[in-house]
Amino acid sequence: AQTVTQSQPEMSVQEAETVTLSCTYDTSESDYYLFWYKQPPSRQMILVIRQEAYKQQNATENRFSVNFQKAAKSFSLKISDSQLGDAAMYFCAYSRLLMDSSYKLIFGSGTRLLVRP
Amino acid sequence: NAGVTQTPKFQVLKTGQSMTLQCAQDMNHEYMSWYRQDPGMGLRLIHYSVGAGITDQGEVPNGYNVSRSTTEDFPLRLLSAAPSQTSVYFCASSYRDRGKKLFFGSGTQLSVL
Repeated sequence: AQTVTQSQPEMSVQEAETVTLSCTYDTSESDYYLFWYKQPPSRQMILVIRQEAYKQQNATENRFSVNFQKAAKSFSLKISDSQLGDAAMYFCAYSRLLMDSSYKLIFGSGTRLLVRP
Repeated sequence: NAGVTQTPKFQVLKTGQSMTLQCAQDMNHEYMSWYRQDPGMGLRLIHYSVGAGITDQGEVPNGYNVSRSTTEDFPLRLLSAAPSQTSVYFCASSYRDRGKKLFFGSGTQLSVL
């Protein structure tokens, strides 16, 4: 089964500090895509960062970066200089190729991030 | 620049009622999908479509129907609502390339009593 696991239901970080959210996944594919989406209280789903599995270099978007360990099937999200606006639910997702060459996103159960002022 | 428009935002149904959740996108995306979000379970795929006239089932299709008569629209029909269908529903669209970002609608909070 191809699954995505987020083992931390909730994390807390002090404003301006760094926090890392964990994600592991299971796949038999060699080439795929991984994503982190953010869902603030507004409920809107926002793409934070994307990683292509064939690229060894870890993706970075401003204060957000990933630690992609392909062999370990691990894809953690690091948020530096945390801000109050980072408080949200964070979902890790894996893009699975389907038989008809389309795809579906498989989501983890989410990690709620609290930011303390 | 509308993106993905999803209506209604909130809906309350009685068990056995039917309804349609509307979804429209103006980005000429081939790929459209419906997800449901339940606490502690993330988002799960209900149905998806790779183009007009083409639909297929996702992980949790039972109790739902979809159709794709145009590139822009992808409505989700609840045939006979059940309390187990109480959830938040999201429509999403993208280009067919699976490395592309999914654009999500604002969600529908559905309660079935």
